[in-house]
Amino acid sequence: DAGVIQSPRHEVTEMGQEVTLRCKLISGHNSLFWYRQTMMRGLELLIYFNNNVPIDDSGMPEDRFSAKMPNASFSTLKIQPSEPRDSAVYFCASSPLGQGKVEAFGSGTRLTVV
Amino acid sequence: QKEVEQNSGPLSVPEGAIASLNCTYSDRGSQSFFWYRQYSGKSPELIMSIYSNGDKEDGRFTAQLNKASQYVSLLIRDSQPSDSATYLCAVNLGDMRFGAGTRLTVKP
Repeated sequence: DAGVIQSPRHEVTEMGQEVTLRCKLISGHNSLFWYRQTMMRGLELLIYFNNNVPIDDSGMPEDRFSAKMPNASFSTLKIQPSEPRDSAVYFCASSPLGQGKVEAFGSGTRLTVV
Repeated sequence: QKEVEQNSGPLSVPEGAIASLNCTYSDRGSQSFFWYRQYSGKSPELIMSIYSNGDKEDGRFTAQLNKASQYVSLLIRDSQPSDSATYLCAVNLGDMRFGAGTRLTVKP
């Protein structure tokens, strides 16, 4: 299995631009998590899905952030418009449903907004 | 109070020593506890899960849980330079919440 696959690995964009981060889950996993990691705030849960349904999006910082899961294996996290304070590493992670844990993380997308 | 708290370190131990990493959590109802290892520039990797009070051993790693004290720890025996990483404590509070991590350096 290739694991959780994220793209792009690095993204540099100008303030105000739209950014889309992509994630492919491990086959058979039904829970999908988006995390953001910064030095100041550590690893923060943004949103998670079970069986394509968003369960908790209370960690999404603002309306500028949105996440979708159009099918069982794929998710996107969109930031529009982006701001310099959004600069962070964004991780996607997945687990089998009901495991109560995050089993596998993707390699992350390092986002820099200038 | 933060939901999951860890001493950010850095913690430095000599090769071959025991490294002890500690974590406290705020929700008494928590049932599931995890340790992740994160090498610099890499993603977190699940290394230990513990659900019951007491010790759980896996090779050189031992996780210890005390629900009454809301305390979970990770012991690394015979520490190796390859163990140098940031160790993240995580607690299932309905969803997974992570501590800030403790940076461990094992010196040869």
